[in-house]
Amino acid sequence: GAGVSQSPSNKVTEKGKDVELRCDPISGHTALYWYRQSLGQGLEFLIYFQGNSAPDKSGLPSDRFSAERTGGSVSTLTIQRTQQEDSAVYLCASSPQGHSTEAFFGQGTRLTVV
Amino acid sequence: GENVEQHPSTLSVQEGDSAVIKCTYSDSASNYFPWYKQELGKRPQLIIDIRSNVGEKKDQRIAVTLNKTAKHFSLHITETQPEDSAVYFCAASKVEMEYGNKLVFGAGTILRVKS
Repeated sequence: GAGVSQSPSNKVTEKGKDVELRCDPISGHTALYWYRQSLGQGLEFLIYFQGNSAPDKSGLPSDRFSAERTGGSVSTLTIQRTQQEDSAVYLCASSPQGHSTEAFFGQGTRLTVV
Repeated sequence: GENVEQHPSTLSVQEGDSAVIKCTYSDSASNYFPWYKQELGKRPQLIIDIRSNVGEKKDQRIAVTLNKTAKHFSLHITETQPEDSAVYFCAASKVEMEYGNKLVFGAGTILRVKS
């Protein structure tokens, strides 16, 4: 596709439910990043993929959060047993390679936990 | 780890005036400093960036300056226009093949340009 695509664009879920967020990076980009943007805050790094492996998972806030990437392309971020504090916009970005500087962001998924 | 602070949190300027946003970072090993613009409900978009081996970079009405000794960098927008109104984020990273380009962001500055 022309840019980074994320789905769904909005997700409302009940506390305690699991959610999956999807990111489709720019074709050919090997580096993929997940960030979280809470209301009125800056972006917070969650995880970095190079191909299908995740050399840096240091930003995942708890073991309820996990992510995977298959085929060096699509990535899913899974949040188990969602809590209200998980409510945020989850942004995905991709870059041509790991040491590339410009990161291209998707539109994000707005997650609301009620 | 890296910590980035950004000031001011909000900035109002009259159309045609200049706007300056400042950021400081803590990790002297950081070598890449981008600025992103985010309009309401939209994705962040890179507007300018600078690497640590350069002190200043300009792109039309936008410029970024970097002071490695003091560990701070600034965004300068001249001749502001209403369409410059948005949230601006600075970021810092240590670009490495192994760890990619993990960006640490400032908290953002809401810029309002009054016409």
